[in-house]
Amino acid sequence: NAGVMQNPRHLVRRRGQEARLRCSPMKGHSHVYWYRQLPEEGLKFMVYLQKENIIDESGMPKERFSAEFPKEGPSILRIQQVVRGDSAAYFCASSFPPSRGPGWTDTQYFGPGTRLTVL
Amino acid sequence: AQKITQTQPGMFVQEKEAVTLDCTYDTSDQSYGLFWYKQPSSGEMIFLIYQGSYDEQNATEGRYSLNFQKARKSANLVISASQLGDSAMYFCAMRGASGYSTLTFGKGTMLLVSP
Repeated sequence: NAGVMQNPRHLVRRRGQEARLRCSPMKGHSHVYWYRQLPEEGLKFMVYLQKENIIDESGMPKERFSAEFPKEGPSILRIQQVVRGDSAAYFCASSFPPSRGPGWTDTQYFGPGTRLTVL
Repeated sequence: AQKITQTQPGMFVQEKEAVTLDCTYDTSDQSYGLFWYKQPSSGEMIFLIYQGSYDEQNATEGRYSLNFQKARKSANLVISASQLGDSAMYFCAMRGASGYSTLTFGKGTMLLVSP
């Protein structure tokens, strides 16, 4: 039973280039979340998607960042015209559809992350 | 808005001893979930344990248990019989009804287990 898969694991880009990060959720999961981890910080939420739909992008920077989760294929986090401040670890998580109310067990399971370095 | 505070940047423990990692939270939601994740030096995030706000019993998963004190808004992780492989960063996180889809993380505690 494969877990959440992310690729590439490490990505190096020069300033101004584009970065594409891919995430394949766990089997049976239809919801995907992207988080960013800056050095020596906890993870910060970026965007939450289900197939063909962005549910919550309140944590996404307004410019240069976009995300999609197409009907077929992995979820993609795209960073255009990268800058040095974009260097971070980007984690994808997946879950069953979240539920409200007590007794939630729709845990988010994380992929291994993509470490982006911008030179 | 939700907030997670982990006041211990680092903790040291000897192998086979128990250790408690602190976590306090702040939320106005009545219904929420609390999570602990482990991040070893390899970098992946590993889910450890979950506690629901309405759960009357403290959650346990093997050597991990969660000391949940709702009135104090604390959700401390207890690791019994520490092992060398427990050396890692540990993050406390929560989800509440207001941001039900997303996790809010603390800054983490680095645990080092010595022989």
